[in-house]
Amino acid sequence: AQSVSQHNHHVILSEAASLELGCNYSYGGTVNLFWYVQYPGQHLQLLLKYFSGDPLVKGIKGFEAEFIKSKFSFNLRKPSVQWSDTAEYFCAVKVDRDDKIIFGKGTRLHILP
Amino acid sequence: NAGVMQNPRHLVRRRGQEARLRCSPMKGHSHVYWYRQLPEEGLKFMVYLQKENIIDESGMPKERFSAEFPKEGPSILRIQQVVRGDSAAYFCASSLNRVRTEAFFGQGTRLTVV
Repeated sequence: AQSVSQHNHHVILSEAASLELGCNYSYGGTVNLFWYVQYPGQHLQLLLKYFSGDPLVKGIKGFEAEFIKSKFSFNLRKPSVQWSDTAEYFCAVKVDRDDKIIFGKGTRLHILP
Repeated sequence: NAGVMQNPRHLVRRRGQEARLRCSPMKGHSHVYWYRQLPEEGLKFMVYLQKENIIDESGMPKERFSAEFPKEGPSILRIQQVVRGDSAAYFCASSLNRVRTEAFFGQGTRLTVV
């Protein structure tokens, strides 16, 4: 069965620090990849997505992610975080032969002001 | 264009009662997903539906849980004879197509079983 692994469950950073959240998936075929963010008390919002083409994807709020097929990875990055980035971040994968979107367990990011 | 609407936002049920969670997808979307979120466990896929059809229910518990998405009206996730372990946040998402499209999430329904 397909799975998504997020390496860090909790991350604490100071403002202006750089961020990289890891995401690996287990499936050898064609995939669609997503990062969602959930701010406290709110619903999930899409940060960015990858379907095909340029493996470096830019999303909202200065986030980007790089799809490395050989590593089955889709890590999320941001060069300089802000206090308002405090949230939970979910990596998600949809494989081409399946309908469901599989989510990782999430990474709680806490930014110190 | 209204987003995905879920109601109620909060639902309290006593053990043994039934819980009905409603989800109205975004306008024009005919694909609906239901997920359950428990602390520290992320979102667990439950079921994927198109209008009048259940496409994938591989994440649904075999008993007490059912889902539908009728031709008219919202999608319904129904939990019969609720138990304490059913307490969780239930999220609905909708998408425009079956492939190459993202899912848009609702605000969720937080079910508490007392």
